[in-house]
Amino acid sequence: DVKVTQSSRYLVKRTGEKVFLECVQDMDHENMFWYRQDPGLGLRLIYFSYDVKMKEKGDIPEGYSVSREKKERFSLILESASTNQTSMYLCASSSSPGTRDEQYFGPGTRLTVT
Amino acid sequence: DAKTTQPTSMDCAEGRAANLPCNHSTISGNEYVYWYRQIHSQGPQYIIHGLKNNETNEMASLIITEDRKSSTLILPHATLRDTAVYYCIVKPGAGSYQLTFGKGTKLSVIP
Repeated sequence: DVKVTQSSRYLVKRTGEKVFLECVQDMDHENMFWYRQDPGLGLRLIYFSYDVKMKEKGDIPEGYSVSREKKERFSLILESASTNQTSMYLCASSSSPGTRDEQYFGPGTRLTVT
Repeated sequence: DAKTTQPTSMDCAEGRAANLPCNHSTISGNEYVYWYRQIHSQGPQYIIHGLKNNETNEMASLIITEDRKSSTLILPHATLRDTAVYYCIVKPGAGSYQLTFGKGTKLSVIP
């Protein structure tokens, strides 16, 4: 079974801190994604990557950056955390785009910025 | 702009079929219908997808109308573990990465 793991289930950080969220997948997938999920807003795509060192902005990239140095690992970085970045963060991966394009999600990281 | 419309919530008796509707009246010819679900405190899980033919797998069946403007996800024998939010998503085929999740349908399976 595909496994997508995220470094933490719960994280509490202070305003202004630099925050790293790590995601690892074990299925040699080319594509990896970061979403945030907020009540009433659903899941929104922050960034995605279709290859090592490649990245594309999603719908809400402001305040975030990403890093993909190895195929299995995709990091989301909050350069200076703010309270409006308190959210559930979900990582996903998929194989090369095609008609199936099933995305496998990790369990999520609930980040609280105080 | 929402590309799909789903009821906010539905109930289903345990052991009965759960039929979850989705309207996607503006779907275009190269767009697929995907269904995902999210059980509380977990990440979303892929269920099934289709273009214009009905599809079935071990989890569910997908019925797409002939005009492709709506579809129904069928869980043939709902269990308590099927209680989740179900998302209907319209997405272009090859070459498109993004899944745009709407608000979904909260399905509650009642004992």
